[in-house]
Amino acid sequence: EAQVTQNPRYLITVTGKKLTVTCSQNMNHEYMSWYRQDPGLGLRQIYYSMNVEVTDKGDVPEGYKVSRKEKRNFPLILESPSPNQTSLYFCASSKAQSSLPGFRYEQYFGPGTRLTVT
Amino acid sequence: RKEVEQDPGPFNVPEGATVAFNCTYSNSASQSFFWYRQDCRKEPKLLMSVYSSGNEDGRFTAQLNRASQYISLLIRDSKLSDSATYLCVVRSRGSSNTGKLIFGQGTTLQVKP
Repeated sequence: EAQVTQNPRYLITVTGKKLTVTCSQNMNHEYMSWYRQDPGLGLRQIYYSMNVEVTDKGDVPEGYKVSRKEKRNFPLILESPSPNQTSLYFCASSKAQSSLPGFRYEQYFGPGTRLTVT
Repeated sequence: RKEVEQDPGPFNVPEGATVAFNCTYSNSASQSFFWYRQDCRKEPKLLMSVYSSGNEDGRFTAQLNRASQYISLLIRDSKLSDSATYLCVVRSRGSSNTGKLIFGQGTTLQVKP
């Protein structure tokens, strides 16, 4: 089954304790991305990756790191979490734009990770 | 001004009703347009792409007006299972971040018996 998986699904942690949220896709997608979703603000992109070893900042990258050592995995790292990073996080993946006409583009989302930082 | 704006609702409608959602986007270079559906804080899932000529998928009809930078979604004969949040989504052209999706806040629909 084609899917994007995230772990953990729920996490409660304390300020300053480093954590990693894993993301994996089995569709051989080049593009992967992390979003956070907050009430009233919608989904906002944190970081993205166009392919292995190619990552770049999205709209709200402060306080986050990512890596893309393998095509299927794109972990999100919070080196020193703070309460303002309490949010619902989604990982997503898609084929590279060049391989599809624009109107067939689809981005697949993982089930989400609900993070609370106290 | 937000790049993609939607009326958050909620829209409360009876079963069988026809309901329309509207969305405006600010970047005229936007390339692709979509409606995603999100159930109760689960992951967003693609409902349908929006084509320039308008398109229909069963009870759902999407329209795009590039001149007015306006997108709409029409749901006919609403079902209880249509209750969800509908996200208007835009993808821009000309950026190196070719997969970046810009989301509206979403419009919540509650269909009641």
